[in-house]
Amino acid sequence: AQKVTQAQTEISVVEKEDVTLDCVYETRDTTYYLFWYKQPPSGELVFLIRRNSFDEQNEISGRYSWNFQKSTSSFNFTITASQVVDSAVYFCALSRHGGSQGNLIFGKGTKLSVKP
Amino acid sequence: DVKVTQSSRYLVKRTGEKVFLECVQDMDHENMFWYRQDPGLGLRLIYFSYDVKMKEKGDIPEGYSVSREKKERFSLILESASTNQTSMYLCASSPRTPPLHFGNGTRLTVT
Repeated sequence: AQKVTQAQTEISVVEKEDVTLDCVYETRDTTYYLFWYKQPPSGELVFLIRRNSFDEQNEISGRYSWNFQKSTSSFNFTITASQVVDSAVYFCALSRHGGSQGNLIFGKGTKLSVKP
Repeated sequence: DVKVTQSSRYLVKRTGEKVFLECVQDMDHENMFWYRQDPGLGLRLIYFSYDVKMKEKGDIPEGYSVSREKKERFSLILESASTNQTSMYLCASSPRTPPLHFGNGTRLTVT
């Protein structure tokens, strides 16, 4: 069975703190993709990053960084020096069927609140 | 930029009504999807389509049907709306390989 677990339901931090959002996945596919999406209060899901199963290099984009570890089936997301605008629900997702047909399984999301 | 447009942002319908949710994408994507989002349950896939006139059931297809007559348009149909179908409905599109690009969502209330 394929599954995505985001154990943290809600996280609250103060501005400028670093915060890590956890994502653990289960799949028997050897080829797959992992994703992170952001859903701000406006409601639209915004794509942040895609990682394929053959690329375990960490990625950094500004204040965002992602740590992919196949050995622990984790794909964690860190925000450095958080800002109020980072407040949103963040979803981790896994491709089904190795990525064919674009079908994704989503975790239940982590709600991040960044207080000034 | 990819644009996925859902015809209504908010919709209120009565129990038993037939409801149509429309979605249009402008990027010539092969795949289109309908998800439903509920608090504590995340996003759950209702139906998806990987080509015109093709459709596949997702995880929770009961009570829903879909139509894809043109590549850019994917409609979700609630044959007889019920209160447990009150939810946020999200349409998405993608090329053969994801990521998915989402619309703004339609918040449907069935009374």
